[in-house]
Amino acid sequence: GDSVTQMEGPVTLSEEAFLTINCTYTATGYPSLFWYVQYPGEGLQLLLKATKADDKGSNKGFEATYRKETTSFHLEKGSVQVSDSAVYFCALEGLTGGGNKLTFGTGTQLKVEL
Amino acid sequence: GAVVSQHPSWVICKSGTSVKIECRSLDFQATTMFWYRQFPKQSLMLMATSNEGSKATYEQGVEKDKFLINHASLTLSTLTVTSAHPEDSSFYICSARVLAGGELFFGEGSRLTVL
Repeated sequence: GDSVTQMEGPVTLSEEAFLTINCTYTATGYPSLFWYVQYPGEGLQLLLKATKADDKGSNKGFEATYRKETTSFHLEKGSVQVSDSAVYFCALEGLTGGGNKLTFGTGTQLKVEL
Repeated sequence: GAVVSQHPSWVICKSGTSVKIECRSLDFQATTMFWYRQFPKQSLMLMATSNEGSKATYEQGVEKDKFLINHASLTLSTLTVTSAHPEDSSFYICSARVLAGGELFFGEGSRLTVL
């Protein structure tokens, strides 16, 4: 079945540091890939997505590129801010079961310090 | 973005009692709502998909008689954990969308603790 593996946290960075959160997936065919972010006390929010190989999703300075050859969708940001502190979830929407079902990774907590 | 709200955010109950969690779409009509369960340091696991006016579709391994889902209107879905036991303690999250394939909007989650 479909699965998503992402790096364990917490990840602690200083403000303005470079961020990478790794995400790899296993799925049949060509799923859509997502990054969701959950700020403290709030629900998950879509951060960015990519629907086909080599697509790059981007939003709020975050980027992730759909790499079919490595089955990866790593999240990157060049300069993090304290306000980026949150839990980040990688997810895929597969084609099995009629589609439209998200499979999530375990989430990676990011803490950004001054 | 659209807002989905869950209530209650926290609930503590005694073993053997039933607990109802509500999921509301506040500014849009949701044709489909999803219920997830999350254990500490684990991913969100889809429990069931509910479409307004029809029976929920449960994922394999989820007891439909234990986790009752009702989607009576386009803005409200409820999850009732019946005869709760300590192993049901978890974080329950709902999401909703307007149309098939559309963006999902998530509630803030409800933490259930069964004593």
